[in-house]
Amino acid sequence: DQQVKQNSPSLSVQEGRISILNCDYTNSMFDYFLWYKKYPAEGPTFLISISSIKDKNEDGRFTVFLNKSAKHLSLHIVPSQPGDSAVYFCAARSMNRDDKIIFGKGTRLHILP
Amino acid sequence: KAGVTQTPRYLIKTRGQQVTLSCSPISGHRSVSWYQQTPGQGLQFLFEYFSETQRNKGNFPGRFSGRQFSNSRSEMNVSTLELGDSALYLCASSLDGETGYGYTFGSGTRLTVV
Repeated sequence: DQQVKQNSPSLSVQEGRISILNCDYTNSMFDYFLWYKKYPAEGPTFLISISSIKDKNEDGRFTVFLNKSAKHLSLHIVPSQPGDSAVYFCAARSMNRDDKIIFGKGTRLHILP
Repeated sequence: KAGVTQTPRYLIKTRGQQVTLSCSPISGHRSVSWYQQTPGQGLQFLFEYFSETQRNKGNFPGRFSGRQFSNSRSEMNVSTLELGDSALYLCASSLDGETGYGYTFGSGTRLTVV
């Protein structure tokens, strides 16, 4: 049973345009969400997070939007740059400090020149 | 400060053998989590250790085990290797497993079972 779903395995976006990566979750106990970015042969690196008390969090070119009623979050990258080409993982956990972080399967983002 | 260190980076083993992977967390971090990454399956949680105790466990068979030492370094062991165990094994550390800022991952150990 997949609690965090990234339904798009891959996405191609023109350089300079907006990249939108989507993520859905099923567990209503989740109230903290994270995005990680992974390059080949490296471990994932933390990108941005959002808690359920917010509906938006922005950090430079990266913005995460959370729609709790739809159990949906999205990561917007504006403008997209070549270095953004990577696999992006959506992750979630509850505020129970003993809970683990659950990851989605990832979306491979290709930024086209 | 030094990041999360995983050794070895690459490993080739034969079916039926056993393997031990090592993870040294960031200094001061007491929580270590292990994940398996395979194509199409994303990051699947194996287990988490905090202060030498297993705090969480994923849905993997008993062939997968781990432990954590008093210096927070962690090892995971896979016995009776199967071809399907070929994957990238990632270790992540955090101060105490708190939600706050997520995990810091190591570069992983690429295990190939032949």
